[in-house]
Amino acid sequence: EAGVTQFPSHSVIEKGQTVTLRCDPISGHDNLYWYRRVMGKEIKFLLHFVKESKQDESGMPNNRFLAERTGGTYSTLKVQPAELEDSGVYFCASSLSGLSPLHFGNGTRLTVT
Amino acid sequence: GENVEQHPSTLSVQEGDSAVIKCTYSDSASNYFPWYKQELGKGPQLIIDIRSNVGEKKDQRIAVTLNKTAKHFSLHITETQPEDSAVYFCAPSGGSYIPTFGRGTSLIVHP
Repeated sequence: EAGVTQFPSHSVIEKGQTVTLRCDPISGHDNLYWYRRVMGKEIKFLLHFVKESKQDESGMPNNRFLAERTGGTYSTLKVQPAELEDSGVYFCASSLSGLSPLHFGNGTRLTVT
Repeated sequence: GENVEQHPSTLSVQEGDSAVIKCTYSDSASNYFPWYKQELGKGPQLIIDIRSNVGEKKDQRIAVTLNKTAKHFSLHITETQPEDSAVYFCAPSGGSYIPTFGRGTSLIVHP
């Protein structure tokens, strides 16, 4: 089976610009998660979808971040406008059900200058 | 929310030695305990997991032990090899179904 794919793998943008990250989960995985890792720190939870519904977005840092999962398939995470502290690696993961292993993509490394 | 701590943050061993990484969590409702391995440029990948009704699980050179009373679980790697060098994360989850990741342990295996 195809794994979780993320696009782009790297993005360098200037402060104030907009960036959209995309995640294609494993087919059939209803659960989709976004996480972020800032250099040397823990992988922090951002939000969780079950199909197209946001189940938990308690980790979203502020209203500059908008996640969608139209149709319950792929998901996008938009950052607008980007700030310096948004730099980090954004990971997407999917799972078949709650309390089952997460399957991660390779991440998008975002650098805001 | 769940508080997760991993120790040590860095672990350096000689090839062939054993390595142990410990994860402590706070939520007594946690009942799923996985370990992930992250190699450079890739996303974390599950290497072993255990559920709350089991105390120990082994898969070749890798094992996980769980102490629910003390709220910690550990990753054991025996006969370490250079390809075991990576960052390892624990990520317990339970009632909220949201895995909470530790800060990671950088394992370095010297040939």
